[in-house]
Amino acid sequence: ETGVTQTPRHLVMGMTNKKSLKCEQHLGHNAMYWYKQSAKKPLELMFVYNFKEQTENNSVPSRFSPECPNSSHLFLHLHTLQPEDSALYLCASSQDFRQGWETQYFGPGTRLLVL
Amino acid sequence: GQQVMQIPQYQHVQEGEDFTTYCNSSTTLSNIQWYKQRPGGHPVFLIQLVKSGEVKKQKRLTFQFGEAKKNSSLHITATQTTDVGTYFCAGPGDNAGNMLTFGGGTRLMVKP
Repeated sequence: ETGVTQTPRHLVMGMTNKKSLKCEQHLGHNAMYWYKQSAKKPLELMFVYNFKEQTENNSVPSRFSPECPNSSHLFLHLHTLQPEDSALYLCASSQDFRQGWETQYFGPGTRLLVL
Repeated sequence: GQQVMQIPQYQHVQEGEDFTTYCNSSTTLSNIQWYKQRPGGHPVFLIQLVKSGEVKKQKRLTFQFGEAKKNSSLHITATQTTDVGTYFCAGPGDNAGNMLTFGGGTRLMVKP
């Protein structure tokens, strides 16, 4: 399953570091998503981009900054994170945004540990 | 906001036993989707149900959409160790844009 790729797969960072997560989809889709998955909240939607335009920011703290330069690439820039931000960050894509009808294809995720 | 609730949260079964997970919504859903996440993996789309009372089968997996389109179930017959994972249902939320909202998932563990 290589339709949606994510790098890095694992990341350890200190609270003062700045890092970026990258997602790339090879499916020709127009919508991309960032999710946070932790033990407390299994699948928490963070951001949605449809045709490179952000359509949803689900009350995410400003220490997370998304960037979508084109329909195939999605980044999540991280800075001054907290230990409670440690989680699996999943990227997903769908053909387009269809108000809950779209089937989403997930990448393998980045396992993030904030020390 | 609308939440998609799943029960049970965890289920241990002996290999060969059946397993069912239930998904309930407080509002009528236009459609419901099911995803499976293997341990250490990522969610993978299984199926989408659209019609009231719809039943779909995939080998040993049977998916059902309630008549009122407010609930759904996934039933696995004669579980195997390969069925281990977390099963999520997902439906349109009542948030702005009706973003797909995932249930909390049911984690299935199978004892060989």
